[in-house]
Amino acid sequence: KNEVEQSPQNLTAQEGEFITINCSYSVGISALHWLQQHPGGGIVSLFMLSSGKKKHGRLIATINIQEKHSSLHITASHPRDSAVYICAVRKGAQKLVFGQGTRLTINP
Amino acid sequence: DTEVTQTPKHLVMGMTNKKSLKCEQHMGHRAMYWYKQKAKKPPELMFVYSYEKLSINESVPSRFSPECPNSSLLNLHLHALQPEDSALYLCASSRSMFDEQFFGPGTRLTVL
Repeated sequence: KNEVEQSPQNLTAQEGEFITINCSYSVGISALHWLQQHPGGGIVSLFMLSSGKKKHGRLIATINIQEKHSSLHITASHPRDSAVYICAVRKGAQKLVFGQGTRLTINP
Repeated sequence: DTEVTQTPKHLVMGMTNKKSLKCEQHMGHRAMYWYKQKAKKPPELMFVYSYEKLSINESVPSRFSPECPNSSLLNLHLHALQPEDSALYLCASSRSMFDEQFFGPGTRLTVL
């Protein structure tokens, strides 16, 4: 079993829908990251969380340390949100451990 | 300047060639990373430099040789690569190893 599990693996939705991507992890962590990767490669860091909730524009990320779970929400989704969303956790100063990613497609 | 740049964007090389990938950042970050990413897989860490010293080497074959000449620059020297080394190579940097990582756009490498 991977240390970081994401669900769903693939998600297709219509423009305007509310999107939720989940991440569960099985190890103690110092921080959790949500990353976005568009086709063609570049990775953008969306959030780094160690507790609570963060919001940036239409994106909201939450983390529950006790339950070892995080969610990424996208409100009023748009086709340009189509990308792979990756959850990654860090244990202390050690390397990031990545989930397998969630491929999101938003249809117009 | 809040970005990580990587050159070249694309690289095609033969198995006997020697080439280098370059990564640069001017954010004053003291940790820099090389990742390898195969299609539809998450990135895999290769190397971490912290304060220009190699901090983590994830048992990467010696045909990959990292170099950190100064705090802004990270190179990855490639020699005698195999076709299975074809991948997207991503560089990242962070203020320290505890902080958020900023990724470059990657170099797409094809080994013939």
